[in-house]
Amino acid sequence: DAKTTQPPSMDCAEGRAANLPCNHSTISGNEYVYWYRQIHSQGPQYIIHGLKNNETNEMASLIITEDRKSSTLILPHATLRDTAVYYCIVRPDNYGQNFVFGPGTRLSVLP
Amino acid sequence: KAGVTQTPRYLIKTRGQQVTLSCSPISGHRSVSWYQQTPGQGLQFLFEYFSETQRNKGNFPGRFSGRQFSNSRSEMNVSTLELGDSALYLCASSLGGGTQETQYFGPGTRLLVL
Repeated sequence: DAKTTQPPSMDCAEGRAANLPCNHSTISGNEYVYWYRQIHSQGPQYIIHGLKNNETNEMASLIITEDRKSSTLILPHATLRDTAVYYCIVRPDNYGQNFVFGPGTRLSVLP
Repeated sequence: KAGVTQTPRYLIKTRGQQVTLSCSPISGHRSVSWYQQTPGQGLQFLFEYFSETQRNKGNFPGRFSGRQFSNSRSEMNVSTLELGDSALYLCASSLGGGTQETQYFGPGTRLLVL
């Protein structure tokens, strides 16, 4: 079972920041939080990941709470092309383990 | 660098047939994982290969098998196809499959079983 909980859907106005929440209350000390997105049946696209500290790259920012029980993915200026299903995944800390995908959040960016 | 490539992109088979799907990882990546995505079950892990050895396996029947070659390319095979095997099959690669390594996904092979 997925170790994360995400809202099933969200809307965001084009040009505004999209803030996608994720709860991972059972995360353990060495487990990373990964975010991927999937645009209409294409392969999932890597966005960002983090362990404890907040992270930022050219696509998004990842804010992880101090207790690590939740995180937020921020798309600073959402565009129509950001409409996708966003997956928050807690990565197991053993070699050979793989991602367990939940249902994700379907983000709709509206014009 | 070229991304993960999968062939074929689309495939139609009939029940009882078998199918082989191919995945070429990003150059230098030695870990290849396979996933199945269906509308009902979502994205589910099938198996992972590293250095030609299956290192991890999901909860799928033995009709689903795979292998990895010395150049890290991987194939998965599904025998005795069932209607429920219709799905998007995704391949992902990473350097060595460690916990700090990102998996990069290919575009997928869409299989339709009639």
